[in-house]
Amino acid sequence: DAGVIQSPRHEVTEMGQEVTLRCKPISGHDYLFWYRQTMMRGLELLIYFNNNVPIDDSGMPEDRFSAKMPNASFSTLKIQPSEPRDSAVYFCASSGTSGRAAYEQYFGPGTRLTVT
Amino acid sequence: QQQVKQSPQSLIVQKGGISIINCAYENTAFDYFPWYQQFPGKGPALLIAIRPDVSEKKEGRFTISFNKSAKQFSLHIMDSQPGDSATYFCAARKGNRDDKIIFGKGTRLHILP
Repeated sequence: DAGVIQSPRHEVTEMGQEVTLRCKPISGHDYLFWYRQTMMRGLELLIYFNNNVPIDDSGMPEDRFSAKMPNASFSTLKIQPSEPRDSAVYFCASSGTSGRAAYEQYFGPGTRLTVT
Repeated sequence: QQQVKQSPQSLIVQKGGISIINCAYENTAFDYFPWYQQFPGKGPALLIAIRPDVSEKKEGRFTISFNKSAKQFSLHIMDSQPGDSATYFCAARKGNRDDKIIFGKGTRLHILP
């Protein structure tokens, strides 16, 4: 299996621009998670989906952030407009019922976002 | 009550030594305690996990010790190697898959060659 795939791996954009991060979960996994990682705040859960339905978006920092999962194999996290404080590494993770530990989360390689 | 507190923030250990990272939690409803390992430029990956019905779990050089009454758990890395240098996160979750994993802030471990 290819694992969780994220694109782009690096994104540099100017303040005010729209940013779209993409994620392809592991095939067959029914949960998908979006995290943000910074030195100051550590690993923060932004939102997660079960069977393409958002379950908990309480971690989404503000209305500038939105996430969608139109089908089982694709999700996007959008920031509009972007601000310098959004600079972070954004991870997508998925989980299912197979694997070494049932319900374990498998993380993608992350997207490093820099907003100037 | 949702927090998982992890210490130390950073740790330097000589090659061959024992690395110890500690975590504490408040929510007694947590019943799954994983540890994740993250190398630079990579996403976190599950290293080892424990449930509260056992006090210790060992996988190779990695051991989780769990103290339910104290609501504490720790990761021990025996015979630490330079390749173990990474950031380690403890975490906790309730049994329901709809419940999110709560991560500690992470410990940056450096093993001196």
